[in-house]
Amino acid sequence: EAQVTQNPRYLITVTGKKLTVTCSQNMNHEYMSWYRQDPGLGLRQIYYSMNVEVTDKGDVPEGYKVSRKEKRNFPLILESPSPNQTSLYFCASSSGAGRTGELFFGEGSRLTVL
Amino acid sequence: AQTVTQSQPEMSVQEAETVTLSCTYDTSESDYYLFWYKQPPSRQMILVIRQEAYKQQNATENRFSVNFQKAAKSFSLKISDSQLGDAAMYFCAYRRSSFGNEKLTFGTGTRLTIIP
Repeated sequence: EAQVTQNPRYLITVTGKKLTVTCSQNMNHEYMSWYRQDPGLGLRQIYYSMNVEVTDKGDVPEGYKVSRKEKRNFPLILESPSPNQTSLYFCASSSGAGRTGELFFGEGSRLTVL
Repeated sequence: AQTVTQSQPEMSVQEAETVTLSCTYDTSESDYYLFWYKQPPSRQMILVIRQEAYKQQNATENRFSVNFQKAAKSFSLKISDSQLGDAAMYFCAYRRSSFGNEKLTFGTGTRLTIIP
């Protein structure tokens, strides 16, 4: 089954404790991206990757890091989480061909930073 | 920068009736994609319908259809014969068609309630 898998689905942590949210896709997609969803703001892009070792900032990259060492994986790293990073996070991928325009989303990761 | 506006934070409709969700967007591009995503309580983002800007014909998917007005930059979603399972948050989204960052620009969402 084609899917984007995120882990953990739920996490409560404390300020300053480094954490990583993993994202893996099994569709051999070149393009991957992270979004955060906040009430009243919709979803906003954090980082994206066009291919292995190619990453770039989205609209709200502050406080986040990413890496793309393998095509299937695109982890989101919070080096020193703060309460304003409490949010719902989505990983997404697409074939990168640009024609279909469809992003496939993971099931979301609810992060709470105390 | 592109922006997407959903001016209805909440909507409600009687089961089996028809409801229309509004979306406007702003862009200087001539070619792009528009989407409606559904987010039920499970939080999953589900693609409902997609429209390519170069196509004049409005997209339809079963009970879901859009009214795409390119000159007015309007992209509304019509849900016919509303069902209880349609209750969700609905997001309108825009994407440039050019190669590169396939970023979706989302609206703030419309929460749809279905009244039995």
